[in-house]
Amino acid sequence: DTGVSQNPRHKITKRGQNVTFRCDPISEHNRLYWYRQTLGQGPEFLTYFQNEAQLEKSRLLSDRFSAERPKGSFSTLEIQRTEQGDSAMYLCASSLSRGQGGYGYTFGSGTRLTVV
Amino acid sequence: SQQGEEDPQALSIQEGENATMNCSYKTSINNLQWYRQNSGRGLVHLILIRSNEREKHSGRLRVTLDTSKKSSSLLITASRAADTASYFCATDAGAGNQFYFGTGTSLTVIP
Repeated sequence: DTGVSQNPRHKITKRGQNVTFRCDPISEHNRLYWYRQTLGQGPEFLTYFQNEAQLEKSRLLSDRFSAERPKGSFSTLEIQRTEQGDSAMYLCASSLSRGQGGYGYTFGSGTRLTVV
Repeated sequence: SQQGEEDPQALSIQEGENATMNCSYKTSINNLQWYRQNSGRGLVHLILIRSNEREKHSGRLRVTLDTSKKSSSLLITASRAADTASYFCATDAGAGNQFYFGTGTSLTVIP
């Protein structure tokens, strides 16, 4: 297992187009998180899965955003009708359950989205 | 919203010096973590400290936690040029399942 993998690394899209990002977590991690990070800011929480269940969604996640984690393995984050304000780094992280000692996250390298 | 706030926003030191950065947060926590991020890359987990711990060490890193002041500090001793990065603290706000990140401290270590 080589850690958390995110694809693509970079995505340039025209405003109004739909984009989809993929995250492959560490295989034994049952928790998966999506964060968004803009320049000069810390990551902002978007949504969280435990296994295949999406348990929390931030108010930042408008109805243009949807995330799935079928079968509790990889996850996808789709943004419909992209806007310039969606330009950011989208980070995926995975972890073991809090009940196993409050482990930290393992982050992927992120997908940088540029909406032109 | 971001719960943690790091201080200073930017720090520049000479190689070999120690670097100290601070994090303040607003609500009670279970755990606090520190992460490093090199430019344009993902975050790397450095250390986790639980609310019932006061100090933790990992190699050249020393983290303290003062829950009465709702603050934490990260000390990097004998800094190296490779330590140049942004450093973030992240807190779990009580019963929440996600961690909230601050805006980070940008550390530059001059060779």
